[in-house]
Amino acid sequence: GQNIDQPTEMTATEGAIVQINCTYQTSGFNGLFWYQQHAGEAPTFLSYNVLDGLEEKGRFSSFLSRSKGYSYLLLKELQMKDSASYLCAVEDSNYQLIWGAGTKLIIKP
Amino acid sequence: IAGITQAPTSQILAAGRRMTLRCTQDMRHNAMYWYRQDLGLGLRLIHYSNTAGTTGKGEVPDGYSVSRANTDDFPLTLASAVPSQTSVYFCASSDSLAGNTGELFFGEGSRLTVL
Repeated sequence: GQNIDQPTEMTATEGAIVQINCTYQTSGFNGLFWYQQHAGEAPTFLSYNVLDGLEEKGRFSSFLSRSKGYSYLLLKELQMKDSASYLCAVEDSNYQLIWGAGTKLIIKP
Repeated sequence: IAGITQAPTSQILAAGRRMTLRCTQDMRHNAMYWYRQDLGLGLRLIHYSNTAGTTGKGEVPDGYSVSRANTDDFPLTLASAVPSQTSVYFCASSDSLAGNTGELFFGEGSRLTVL
């Protein structure tokens, strides 16, 4: 079966750095997405990786290793507004998105 | 403001009743999707449409139907609601090319409670 694993919850301190991991086993691979979802709101797109390596976008970076079935989202200079759930999703060989359950990130002052 | 509009935002429904969740987008995206989101689970695809006039089944289609008469609208109908359909429903669209999903744009969600 297809599976996306990410930690259920993480806690970090304002101003610090946090890494949210995502491992996947899917039928083929056509790309990996990260979305941010604040409580009670819709998910919003953060990043897309299809090749191995690091993609940097401001305070957020996303890394992919296809051989290891592994990605992480790196958030730097954490702000209170970064408190949200972070969803990892993989597009399989049929271009269907498989979603992880999400990681709830709690930022403490 | 361009985007996706869902209605209603919240609804309490008696079991056995018929319900249609509305979804409209003004971005001229060709692909549209309906997901449900339940606590502890990832988003699960109910139905999708790659282009106006076509629809397909997702991971959890039973008990739901959709139509795509035009580019902008993609309503989701529960013919006879059951308590297990209590969930938050998200409509999404993308400007997908060559099969790739691309970035998804989500509506604000419709919270449905079936009693």
